[in-house]
Amino acid sequence: AQSVTQLGSHVSVSEGALVLLRCNYSSSVPPYLFWYVQYPNQGLQLLLKYTSAATLVKGINGFEAEFKKSETSFHLTKPSAHMSDAAEYFCAVSDWDDMRFGAGTRLTVKP
Amino acid sequence: DTAVSQTPKYLVTQMGNDKSIKCEQNLGHDTMYWYKQDSKKFLKIMFSYNNKELIINETVPNRFSPKSPDKAHLNLHINSLELGDSAVYFCASSQMAGHGYTFGSGTRLTVV
Repeated sequence: AQSVTQLGSHVSVSEGALVLLRCNYSSSVPPYLFWYVQYPNQGLQLLLKYTSAATLVKGINGFEAEFKKSETSFHLTKPSAHMSDAAEYFCAVSDWDDMRFGAGTRLTVKP
Repeated sequence: DTAVSQTPKYLVTQMGNDKSIKCEQNLGHDTMYWYKQDSKKFLKIMFSYNNKELIINETVPNRFSPKSPDKAHLNLHINSLELGDSAVYFCASSQMAGHGYTFGSGTRLTVV
């Protein structure tokens, strides 16, 4: 069965610092992988997705993620954190039937 | 014009009551979903419908019953509400695998 594991339930960075949120996947078939962001009291919003076209995927708000098959990873990065990036981030894996989410990583950005 | 809309946004009710949450999408997507998000933010799929046909029915108490009158609507009816049902329920839709989901803004259900 497919699944994702997010390493670190809480990540804290200073404004302007690099953001790195980690995600490892488990899938018996080439996966579709996603990152979503959830701001307080809102639904989930798609940040970016990997669908086997290119291993480095660029998303909205300056985020990007790199698919590494050898490491079964799909880590999310942003070169410079903004205060507005503070939110909950979810990694997810999908096959034809449904999407399974990681437990989420709460990103805090300090001034 | 909201793509996936859920009503109500907040729902406070007593144990034992029956309640419904409605979901509508105007994206023309074929598949709709219900997810439950608990207090620790963990998201769990409950149901999936493709063009009005039930595709996924996870291990959910049979007090929960989804209904899809057409492919743009997926409602969730809950009977005999329990304290443990308190959570945020999200509706989502997608066109096909690999395209990602579009989520509604959620319904916060509080059972007292």
